[in-house]
Amino acid sequence: AQSVTQLDSQVPVFEEAPVELRCNYSSSVSVYLFWYVQYPNQGLQLLLKYLSGSTLVKGINGFEAEFNKSQTSFHLRKPSVHISDTAEYFCAVIPSGSARQLTFGSGTQLTVLP
Amino acid sequence: GAGVSQTPSNKVTEKGKYVELRCDPISGHTALYWYRQSLGQGPEFLIYFQGTGAADDSGLPNDRFFAVRPEGSVSTLKIQRTERGDSAVYLCASSFGLAGFNEQFFGPGTRLTVL
Repeated sequence: AQSVTQLDSQVPVFEEAPVELRCNYSSSVSVYLFWYVQYPNQGLQLLLKYLSGSTLVKGINGFEAEFNKSQTSFHLRKPSVHISDTAEYFCAVIPSGSARQLTFGSGTQLTVLP
Repeated sequence: GAGVSQTPSNKVTEKGKYVELRCDPISGHTALYWYRQSLGQGPEFLIYFQGTGAADDSGLPNDRFFAVRPEGSVSTLKIQRTERGDSAVYLCASSFGLAGFNEQFFGPGTRLTVL
């Protein structure tokens, strides 16, 4: 079984400041890793994913994440946030050998302050 | 093109009633997933279809929950004898083939409130 821990439930940050949203996972098998964003009253939207290869993954809206296998982490970063980045962010994993359901973390609410 | 759609967007019902939640996946997507998102939590897997058959229903919490996908497209999640603990947002997702390499596209969800 897999589990995902998002260490911060809420992250307030001022506009144009950098941000890091933390994600750690636990799994006995290799996994694919994902970050999703959920805007109010909208569905989950994929930000980026790590399947294999380079551990630094770039996604939409200027976000990037780095896979660290030894620390079992997949932290999400953005060098300069905008008001429009205010949303709930979810880290998720799926076993690479049996691609079925995603296992999600509990989410991090990012609030960008003017 | 059109994304995943779910109806109704909101459903309020009384304890003990029966409800049906509908999901229209993206045309051509063979895999369909149902998740449940309780307040303050991430989505939790309920059931997964590959074509018409339920390939994995291990996430259904009990036998009051049932889902069908009779023609391999639209799916309906059915909840019998609803309880207050069933209140949550029910999310549907679809993918072209198995998820992982293939992105899961999510609908906006149905917010179910059981009074």
